Amino acid sequence: AQSVTQLGSHVSVSEGALVLLRCNYSSSVPPYLFWYVQYPNQGLQLLLKYTTGATLVKGINGFEAEFKKSETSFHLTKPSAHMSDAAEYFCAVSSPRGYSTLTFGKGTMLLVSP
Amino acid sequence: NAGVTQTPKFRVLKTGQSMTLLCAQDMNHEYMYWYRQDPGMGLRLIHYSVGEGTTAKGEVPDGYNVSRLKKQNFLLGLESAAPSQTSVYFCASSPWAGGNYGYTFGSGTRLTVV
Repeated sequence: AQSVTQLGSHVSVSEGALVLLRCNYSSSVPPYLFWYVQYPNQGLQLLLKYTTGATLVKGINGFEAEFKKSETSFHLTKPSAHMSDAAEYFCAVSSPRGYSTLTFGKGTMLLVSP
Repeated sequence: NAGVTQTPKFRVLKTGQSMTLLCAQDMNHEYMYWYRQDPGMGLRLIHYSVGEGTTAKGEVPDGYNVSRLKKQNFLLGLESAAPSQTSVYFCASSPWAGGNYGYTFGSGTRLTVV
């Protein structure tokens, strides 16, 4: 069974500050990992994903995440927050073996203040 | 370039009423999913389909039924709505198994059961 834990239901940063959203996973095999963003009253949009290869992956809107197998983590970062980054962010995991659905974390709401 | 379209976008039901949520995708994706989103719970998988004519139970299937008569459509039914089914429902699709592609999400249906 696979699972995802997102630390912090809410994270507040100032505009221009570093954004760090934490995600830890549990999986019996090296997983596929995803970050999605949800803006108010909208569906989920894929930010970035890790499947194989380079452990540092870059996504849209200046976000990136690093897969660390030893720490079972896939934290999302952005060097400088923008007001438009305010949204809810979801980490998700799936297994590369056989058919696997996405399992989501409970989400982290990012609040950006001027 | 519609992607995944959900109808209706909003609905209010009385306890005991029935309704069907429609999901349509125009990307020729093989796999389709229904999730529900509740505050603090993230997204939980209700049912999914790995191809036309197939359905399977997810994490929280009770009280819901689904059908996939056509590849492009995935219907979610509530036979006797309960207040506990008040939620935002998201449909998603993906082209193949294994989860490395990620999902394309619809914009959601906000359902209130009174």
